[in-house]
Amino acid sequence: ELKVEQNPLFLSMQEGKNYTIYCNYSTTSDRLYWYRQDPGKSLESLFVLLSNGAVKQEGRLMASLDTKARLSTLHITAAVHDLSATYFCAVVISGNTPLVFGKGTRLSVIA
Amino acid sequence: DTGVSQDPRHKITKRGQNVTFRCDPISEHNRLYWYRQTLGQGPEFLTYFQNEAQLEKSRLLSDRFSAERPKGSFSTLEIQRTEQGDSAMYLCASSLSSGWGYTFGSGTRLTVV
Repeated sequence: ELKVEQNPLFLSMQEGKNYTIYCNYSTTSDRLYWYRQDPGKSLESLFVLLSNGAVKQEGRLMASLDTKARLSTLHITAAVHDLSATYFCAVVISGNTPLVFGKGTRLSVIA
Repeated sequence: DTGVSQDPRHKITKRGQNVTFRCDPISEHNRLYWYRQTLGQGPEFLTYFQNEAQLEKSRLLSDRFSAERPKGSFSTLEIQRTEQGDSAMYLCASSLSSGWGYTFGSGTRLTVV
């Protein structure tokens, strides 16, 4: 059974600081996704990582994938308040089978 | 096409009542997924369809839950004899079997009182 673990589960950051969220998964995977969720809202797709060594960046967020270590990271650079949300990683074993989600990292950026 | 639509957005029901939710996927997407998300947790897979065929059901999907996708377009998720533990956000997503993108709807928030 595929398990996805994120850490930390809660993160309080000061504005302007950098930090990394980690996502580990337990079995070989086809690809990995990062989503953002604001309170009471649905999931917004941030990144899809399709291969080992993949790196994608959008604004202050950068995601990377190491399939050998079964690890993805989401790096936050110079955090701003608007980044406050819950971030989920999700993994697919193969094809378009269902996504398996981690528990999420609740990020709070404070002044 | 404006994305995945779910109806209703919110539902409050008394324990023991039956409820039904609807999901309209992106029209060209042949796969449709249902997830449940409780407060502070990640979405948990319930079931999914390819066209009208239900391909997989999670162990979370007790016999009080049933899902259909009769013509391979919209889908319904019914919960019979609701319990307080069923209170959650129910999310629907759709995708192409040949693609890698999943699009999520806004969800239906169920509160059982």
